[in-house]
Amino acid sequence: EDKVVQSPLSLVVHEGDTVTLNCSYEVTNFRSLLWYKQEKKAPTFLFMLTSSGIEKKSGRLSSILDKKELSSILNITATQTGDSAIYLCAVVPGTYKYIFGTGTRLKVLA
Amino acid sequence: DVKVTQSSRYLVKRTGEKVFLECVQDMDHENMFWYRQDPGLGLRLIYFSYDVKMKEKGDIPEGYSVSREKKERFSLILESASTNQTSMYLCASSRLSGGTGLNTEAFFGQGTRLTVV
Repeated sequence: EDKVVQSPLSLVVHEGDTVTLNCSYEVTNFRSLLWYKQEKKAPTFLFMLTSSGIEKKSGRLSSILDKKELSSILNITATQTGDSAIYLCAVVPGTYKYIFGTGTRLKVLA
Repeated sequence: DVKVTQSSRYLVKRTGEKVFLECVQDMDHENMFWYRQDPGLGLRLIYFSYDVKMKEKGDIPEGYSVSREKKERFSLILESASTNQTSMYLCASSRLSGGTGLNTEAFFGQGTRLTVV
């Protein structure tokens, strides 16, 4: 059965800290891995990682795919209160479906 | 701008009622999805559709059905609502990249918080 596991489940840090969120997966026919940020509404897309694009960066956020370890990390440097959200990892096995992890709830204190 | 619109933000229904959740996307995407999101369980796939009139069961289809009569619209139906269907329901759409054949990122609607009493 396809599975995506995220850790930690929740995390509380102070502004300025650096955080690392983890996503590991067991799927048949891995195609891509995606990261989303969810505040009080719809998840918004952050990054997509594939075999041909294993590292992505945007501002203070970066992500790496380790196909050997079947995992990915999402790094956030110099955290701000606006980074407080649920971070979701999803894997695409095959053509259509997205398999989501349970998410990591990040709270950044001022 | 890309848009996925769900018909209601909040709904309260009674046990046994038939409930319709509507989702419309304006991006001409082939694929549409219905997920439910519960604390500690993440997003779980109920049904998805990869073309008009085509549907596939996800991981938790029991108690639900779907309809996709037009490309832009994907409806989720709770045949007889029960209290264990109280949840946040999220609709999403995506397309296949022509070059790679990979599913691109999914775009989500704002969610419908359904309470069944």
